Amino acid sequence: KQEVTQIPAALSVPEGENLVLNCSFTDSAIYNLQWFRQDPGKGLTSLLLIQSSQREQTSGRLNASLDKSSGRSTLYIAASQPGDSATYLCAVDYGGATNKLIFGTGTLLAVQP
Amino acid sequence: DTAVSQTPKYLVTQMGNDKSIKCEQNLGHDTMYWYKQDSKKFLKIMFSYNNKELIINETVPNRFSPKSPDKAHLNLHINSLELGDSAVYFCASSQVYGETQYFGPGTRLLVL
Repeated sequence: KQEVTQIPAALSVPEGENLVLNCSFTDSAIYNLQWFRQDPGKGLTSLLLIQSSQREQTSGRLNASLDKSSGRSTLYIAASQPGDSATYLCAVDYGGATNKLIFGTGTLLAVQP
Repeated sequence: DTAVSQTPKYLVTQMGNDKSIKCEQNLGHDTMYWYKQDSKKFLKIMFSYNNKELIINETVPNRFSPKSPDKAHLNLHINSLELGDSAVYFCASSQVYGETQYFGPGTRLLVL
């Protein structure tokens, strides 16, 4: 069964800290992996997409890595800010004829000013 | 410039009613999706359409019927609403399969 798990479920850090969010998936035959951000009462915003052939992607203070062999991805946030407070979701796309995203359980991040 | 829009944003209704949620994307994408986010915030795919053709139907009760009148629209009709249908429903689109999905703001459905 294809499952995606995120650890920790919740994280609170002081402003300015660097932090890492973890995502693990049971089936390593992925097509790509996406990281999303969800603010309370809002939709999802795509942050980064890593193709299965890539090892990492960077956007500003965000860096996502992918290790297919171990079934893991990490989202690194540098110099965290209160505005980074949100729920972060990773989603795995296994491609094929029925392309669909399988979402993780999410990490609720609070950055304290 | 709204990329993916959904109406209504909130929907409160009685059990047994029939309701529809509309979704429109102005991104020129070929593929659209419906997701359900339950009370525990877990997101799960319901349907996907590619060029108006149904591709995925993920063990969703047949009370749920998606309709795609054209590539830019994917509406969700729900018959005989049940308490367990209360959730947030998200529409999304992507250029093609396997590319970044763009999500709408969600429709919060509460069945009383």
